[in-house]
Amino acid sequence: QQQVKQSPQSLIVQKGGISIINCAYENTAFDYFPWYQQFPGKGPALLIAIRPDVSEKKEGRFTISFNKSAKQFSLHIMDSQPGDSATYFCAASSRGGATNKLIFGTGTLLAVQP
Amino acid sequence: ETGVTQTPRHLVMGMTNKKSLKCEQHLGHNAMYWYKQSAKKPLELMFVYNFKEQTENNSVPSRFSPECPNSSHLFLHLHTLQPEDSALYLCASSPQAGPYTGELFFGEGSRLTVL
Repeated sequence: QQQVKQSPQSLIVQKGGISIINCAYENTAFDYFPWYQQFPGKGPALLIAIRPDVSEKKEGRFTISFNKSAKQFSLHIMDSQPGDSATYFCAASSRGGATNKLIFGTGTLLAVQP
Repeated sequence: ETGVTQTPRHLVMGMTNKKSLKCEQHLGHNAMYWYKQSAKKPLELMFVYNFKEQTENNSVPSRFSPECPNSSHLFLHLHTLQPEDSALYLCASSPQAGPYTGELFFGEGSRLTVL
C-alpha cells in the first residue's frame, strides 16, 4: 500500500512532442504528489508538485494531472526539448510528523530526440 | 558553497574495508536523509534525522551506520559491505518542521562500488 507504481520505464519522444508519464498509488492518506527530475551525475530536483484539492497544476511546459478517484497522477511535458532528457520520478507522501517521508516510483528515463 | 554537498563522489571499497560518506547542507535545514538509489528501483529511504535525532531507520542492515553530529552534517559509516550494496547514495535535506512543503533538496550522490 506504500508503493507508487510508475510507467513507462523509458520513453522516447521527438522534439516538440508531448511526453506523458503515469503514476498510481494505493494509500489514500497520501496528500502530496511531487515530480522530481534527475540529470545524469546529479541528484533529483523538485520539478513540480500537486495536492489533491486540485485536478491539474501547470508550470510552463510541465503539467500534473491528478485523478483522485482513480488514485492516479501523471506528468505531461509539452513541446518536449532535448534538454528535458532526464530521469523523472513521481513520489507521494502524507502529512504528519516533522520530516518528509517521500515514497518514490521507479523512475522513467526520457530521451527527447532532436 | 550552497545546497547539499556530498563527498566523496565516487568510492570503491573491498568487502572488509571501512569507509564513510559525508554530507553537508548549507540551506539552514533541520532534517537530513540518506537514500539509496539502485538501477530500476525506487529511491529507497534509509535514515532520517530531525534536529540531529534519528527519527527513521528503514530496516537498514547494521553494516550501515549513520551519524548526525549537527543539523548541517550527516555521515554514513560503511563496514563489511556486500557487492549488492553497490549503488548511488543520496543525501537530502528539508526545512525545519513547520509549514509543510514536502520538498527534499538532494546532493549529487556518492557512487559506491563494493568489490
